[in-house]
Amino acid sequence: DIVMTQSPLSLPVTPGEPASISCKSSQSLLTSNGFNSLDWYLQRPGQSPQLLIYLGSYRPSGVPDRFSGSVSGTDFTLKISRVEPEDLGLYYCMQSIETPWTFGQGTKVEMK
Amino acid sequence: EVQLVESGGGLVQPGGSQRLSCAASGLTVSSNFMAWVRQAPGKGLEWVSIIRGDGTTDYAASVKGRFTISRDYSQKTLYLQMNSLRAEDTAVYFCARDRQGTSMDYWGRGTLVIVSS
Repeated sequence: DIVMTQSPLSLPVTPGEPASISCKSSQSLLTSNGFNSLDWYLQRPGQSPQLLIYLGSYRPSGVPDRFSGSVSGTDFTLKISRVEPEDLGLYYCMQSIETPWTFGQGTKVEMK
Repeated sequence: EVQLVESGGGLVQPGGSQRLSCAASGLTVSSNFMAWVRQAPGKGLEWVSIIRGDGTTDYAASVKGRFTISRDYSQKTLYLQMNSLRAEDTAVYFCARDRQGTSMDYWGRGTLVIVSS
């Protein structure tokens, strides 16, 4: 199975400041059509996960543009340009290039 | 508007069976990839199973041979039949629409399954 490793596992943030989460896959997630099968999800407390980024760097409609995703080989990064209070929660990366889909351990973003 | 609503959770004894349902509105279950993801108490997300538009299925190794994903011909309900349940299957089970195997964009609120004597 593909192993997804996130860091940090805990991220204290200050509202209005930027934040960044890393995710590393144990093998390439690059598909034959040139996309990376890597998603980012946010799970707010008591809620179900919400898709933030798909295919490594694409943002679904309705997701604020302060969220962005980038790729460098097997290293993936989620950036929040300016953290808002509603951004608190658990962030997960997930690979979907081969089953079983696998998630990272999760990064807990909380206010300082 | 797409809505997914899970049901069927509850307390079940080890070795027992439970069937979860996911009622869909705003999308056709049979023409979409649909998945189950679970989350044990205080733990992270774990992908469980997928059923594709062509009916093919896949499972996590931890549930293969015990769980079966299916959908009904009314095209509105996804199921997860869980047999030989173990304590480690205790979790909130979410159903989700999987966008052709790229990402899960619609999620239900989940249903809690507790396996305990």
